[in-house]
Amino acid sequence: GESVGLHLPTLSVQEGDNSIINCAYSNSASDYFIWYKQESGKGPQFIIDIRSNMDKRQGQRVTVLLNKTVKHLSLQIAATQPGDSAVYFCAAINFNKFYFGSGTKLNVKP
Amino acid sequence: EPEVTQTPSHQVTQMGQEVILRCVPISNHLYFYWYRQILGQKVEFLVSFYNNEISEKSEIFDDQFSVERPDGSNFTLKIRSTKLEDSAMYFCASSVDGELFFGEGSRLTVL
Repeated sequence: GESVGLHLPTLSVQEGDNSIINCAYSNSASDYFIWYKQESGKGPQFIIDIRSNMDKRQGQRVTVLLNKTVKHLSLQIAATQPGDSAVYFCAAINFNKFYFGSGTKLNVKP
Repeated sequence: EPEVTQTPSHQVTQMGQEVILRCVPISNHLYFYWYRQILGQKVEFLVSFYNNEISEKSEIFDDQFSVERPDGSNFTLKIRSTKLEDSAMYFCASSVDGELFFGEGSRLTVL
């Protein structure tokens, strides 16, 4: 199986600051990881993914870091905007099965 | 952009009633999933479906749940006799090469 946890249920940041959301997983066989954004009342939206043969991947304003040694994953959002306010959660995937963390609620203060 | 669509967006039902939630996955996708999310909690896996049969199911997916792909496009989740604790958002998802695409969800309220 797999157990995925997030370190903080809520994170408040000032608009324009950088946000870092963390996630830990338990199964070293997990080889694919995805960060999702979920706005209130909506389905999870894919943000960025990373495979276990990488330790960093960058998108537009987002960066995912993977540390396989300590089984830790983080999502960095640069210059956080009010539209980034949502719940963010990670998924660890092994054998095509997805395990989700509970989510960190990101509040962006204007 | 192709998307997973779900109906209804919200259903209210009485305890003990049967409910069918419908999903239209993305057309070239091969794997289909149902997840649920109880308010404020994590997204939980219910069942995966591949090649017209269940490939995996969780302990939540007991005998009161069933899935069907009645035609080439729809993927349904049936809850035979709803309980209060079935109240949740139910998400359908589909994938072809690993990336999971979610629908907007169906909110089920059991009274």
